[in-house]
Amino acid sequence: RKEVEQDPGPFNVPEGATVAFNCTYSNSASQSFFWYRQDCRKEPKLLMSVYSSGNEDGRFTAQLNRASQYISLLIRDSKLSDSATYLCVVNTIGGGSNYKLTFGKGTLLTVNP
Amino acid sequence: EAGVTQSPTHLIKTRGQQVTLRCSPISGHTSVYWYQQALGLGLQFLLWYDEGEERNRGNFPPRFSGRQFPNYSSELNVNALELEDSALYLCASSLMGAATNEKLFFGSGTQLSVL
Repeated sequence: RKEVEQDPGPFNVPEGATVAFNCTYSNSASQSFFWYRQDCRKEPKLLMSVYSSGNEDGRFTAQLNRASQYISLLIRDSKLSDSATYLCVVNTIGGGSNYKLTFGKGTLLTVNP
Repeated sequence: EAGVTQSPTHLIKTRGQQVTLRCSPISGHTSVYWYQQALGLGLQFLLWYDEGEERNRGNFPPRFSGRQFPNYSSELNVNALELEDSALYLCASSLMGAATNEKLFFGSGTQLSVL
């Protein structure tokens, strides 16, 4: 099983649609979780952290299910500007401070007018 | 305030050559990370430096190496280049490498093409 696995996509949705991305991770010792966004030919940028209780930032809602080792991102009322690749990121801590941030391959979203 | 800066932006090399990529973190950030983003493969973790020391390394051969300088800038060196090393190399920095909820700030990357 891959360390971080995402929906392969691509997702093509009309403006105003609600779209959900899923991500699973293999290491139960993983401690923190994020969603990053990467525009075409640009660097990734942090979209939001994912907390155990779930969190919301405007039209974006992130959920974490530790028991199922599953993370989700929900985008409501999609805008054209939401078109990007969404990357699921998991931070796993090993011995001492020996941790690393592992990125999923990403899911491409295209919002159409 | 300047973000993470990387140089050069583009590079063309031939097989067997060596290359050095450079990264300057955001002022005050002590941790620097290197990732490789090859077409279709997503971001692959290469190296993490914090306070001048290598803290973790991804599953890459020893010909990928680097270092972090006292001013926290970093270099990534790749020896004996192979065609499959062609990729976008991204550097990121964070404020405190040991924290569990670190946010990474990425540079624009160096696009390396190996012919």
